[in-house]
Amino acid sequence: EVQLVESGGGLVQPGRSLRLSCAASGFRFDDYAMHWVRQAPGKGLEWVSGISWNSDGEGYGDSVKGRFTISRDNAKNSLYLQMHSLRPEDTAFYYCVKDMRGHPGYFDNWGQGTLVTVSS
Amino acid sequence: EIVLTQSPGTLSLSPGERATLSCRASQSVSSNYFAWYQQKPGQAPRLLIFGASTRATGIPDRFSGSGSGTDFTLTISRLEPEDFAVYYCQQYGSSPLTFGGGTKVEIK
Repeated sequence: EVQLVESGGGLVQPGRSLRLSCAASGFRFDDYAMHWVRQAPGKGLEWVSGISWNSDGEGYGDSVKGRFTISRDNAKNSLYLQMHSLRPEDTAFYYCVKDMRGHPGYFDNWGQGTLVTVSS
Repeated sequence: EIVLTQSPGTLSLSPGERATLSCRASQSVSSNYFAWYQQKPGQAPRLLIFGASTRATGIPDRFSGSGSGTDFTLTISRLEPEDFAVYYCQQYGSSPLTFGGGTKVEIK
């Protein structure tokens, strides 16, 4: 069974940094692209970032480009999101998401999410 | 960035009725790299359709996807009680990947 467990969320002041982690299990992690997708409470889905299976390609949504960095450690079956210069509009549940392909595509498994709240 | 516009915002229907959900892209989606998801309250989204028209594993055949280029449609042939939810479209033909704003299918 595929499991994706996010951690690292919490309350952070505007302008500060936060690092999210995702522990993956139940599948061959290094075969698949991985993503972060966020959802503000009561709002729609927003793709934040994705990374290919071997880290040779990554992409970012326009609203986070230059502030967030995605990375992965295939030896540890882990995905990360380093977030800098956080803004109140970054407040959302952040989901770790598994792709069905090796390069960014569509999503077949989602974690339960970790809440990031940016507020003073 | 490809902007996806879903319509209608809310669809009020009765069980057994047919639901037709639309998603229009601001530019052509290459190779029909297009997906649909269902999300129920308090749950993560579930993949329904990829490649514009291929049902994901375990998805009932009352769900069907169609379309190409800039216009895509998700059809639910006969609504079951468990189908009342929010539906999102997504394109993965170009970066950044983008989602539509969602269509809520509610019980009339």
